[in-house]
Amino acid sequence: GAVVSQHPSRVICKSGTSVKIECRSLDFQATTMFWYRQFPKQSLMLMATSNEGSKATYEQGVEKDKFLINHASLTLSTLTVTSAHPEDSSFYICSAGGTSNYEQYFGPGTRLTVT
Amino acid sequence: AQTVTQSQPEMSVQEAETVTLSCTYDTSENNYYLFWYKQPPSRQMILVIRQEAYKQQNATENRFSVNFQKAAKSFSLKISDSQLGDTAMYFCALGSNYQLIWGAGTKLIIKP
Repeated sequence: GAVVSQHPSRVICKSGTSVKIECRSLDFQATTMFWYRQFPKQSLMLMATSNEGSKATYEQGVEKDKFLINHASLTLSTLTVTSAHPEDSSFYICSAGGTSNYEQYFGPGTRLTVT
Repeated sequence: AQTVTQSQPEMSVQEAETVTLSCTYDTSENNYYLFWYKQPPSRQMILVIRQEAYKQQNATENRFSVNFQKAAKSFSLKISDSQLGDTAMYFCALGSNYQLIWGAGTKLIIKP
């Protein structure tokens, strides 16, 4: 149980275009989902927390107009990187959970490359 | 501010040996959880073990166990009979205020 999927697993896009990444909880309902960014050989950096039906809460320094997060249902959250630039190239990971025991279930990640 | 510190950037041991990864944390919360996550080369984050702060008994999951010292704010992970598949990045995380605070990670290499 507690499976989270992410799509796509890899995406290459041109500078200036937008990319959408989907995160789905497959066998449970997730009122809260998290989006992380991970640079090579580094830890996870929380970008934002999204709650179903409400606006996402962004961490300090994360541009909310650039990284659009939508959590329209209890099983789906999306991250859209708008007007992507090469510096947005990274590994993006979503997770779901954060209930009373704070445990999070992670998606397999998305490798974004902006050329 | 809540922090998690992993002071060992990289460790390597021979297969079948026992290895201990260290983690210290700081929080003023009374209710929190501590986690060890594993990230193998596939980069999928996998929960290794979880400890509730209010429990004195150390958590154990097969070959994985923790040494939770609440007063010292220490939460080390012991891997017994290490296997090649244990090679991965290991992250210690503090669960508090509905978020996870992450350590920098320890790269563990199991040598055949």
